[in-house]
Amino acid sequence: DGGITQSPKYLFRKEGQNVTLSCEQNLNHDAMYWYRQDPGQGLRLIYYSQIVNDFQKGDIAEGYSVSREKKESFPLTVTSAQKNPTAFYLCASSIPGQGKSNEQFFGPGTRLTVL
Amino acid sequence: AQTVTQSQPEMSVQEAETVTLSCTYDTSESDYYLFWYKQPPSRQMILVIRQEAYKQQNATENRFSVNFQKAAKSFSLKISDSQLGDAAMYFCAYRSAYGGATNKLIFGTGTLLAVQP
Repeated sequence: DGGITQSPKYLFRKEGQNVTLSCEQNLNHDAMYWYRQDPGQGLRLIYYSQIVNDFQKGDIAEGYSVSREKKESFPLTVTSAQKNPTAFYLCASSIPGQGKSNEQFFGPGTRLTVL
Repeated sequence: AQTVTQSQPEMSVQEAETVTLSCTYDTSESDYYLFWYKQPPSRQMILVIRQEAYKQQNATENRFSVNFQKAAKSFSLKISDSQLGDAAMYFCAYRSAYGGATNKLIFGTGTLLAVQP
């Protein structure tokens, strides 16, 4: 079955530690995205990538880093510089294309809690 | 910058009844796309319906339909014959048709829909 997987489902981190969230897709999509979801704030874009070895900052990139070495994978690292990392993180992918209403497909999410 | 506003944090509907969720947006662009996503308790985001701004006809998907008022910048979602499985958080989202192939979505803050049996 084609889809997006995120792991782990729940993640706990001590303050001052970096942690990496995994996102893998087998939909053959070029574009991938990371969103952060907080109560009452909807989803906010952290980083996105339109193609392998290229990515751009979204609206709230501070304290996060990403890599895109493979088309299928777009891991997100939450660094110790992120001041309030406790949140629900969603990964998505789509077929890029200007002028098209291409749907973004979402993974099941990772709940990160900083202890 | 574009913004999306959902002014109803919570809504409730009786099973089999109809409910309308509101969404307004602000943009200076003439071509764009609008979406409604559903997030059930599993937190999996699911696309419910999409609307292309250049199409005047309102989109429909089975029990789900939209009322797209471009001049008023309004994009409401109507759910007919509500079912218990419709209970979820609903997000309205905007995407520009310009600016390259970013596909960046701008989300509202969501409306939590409860369905009463």
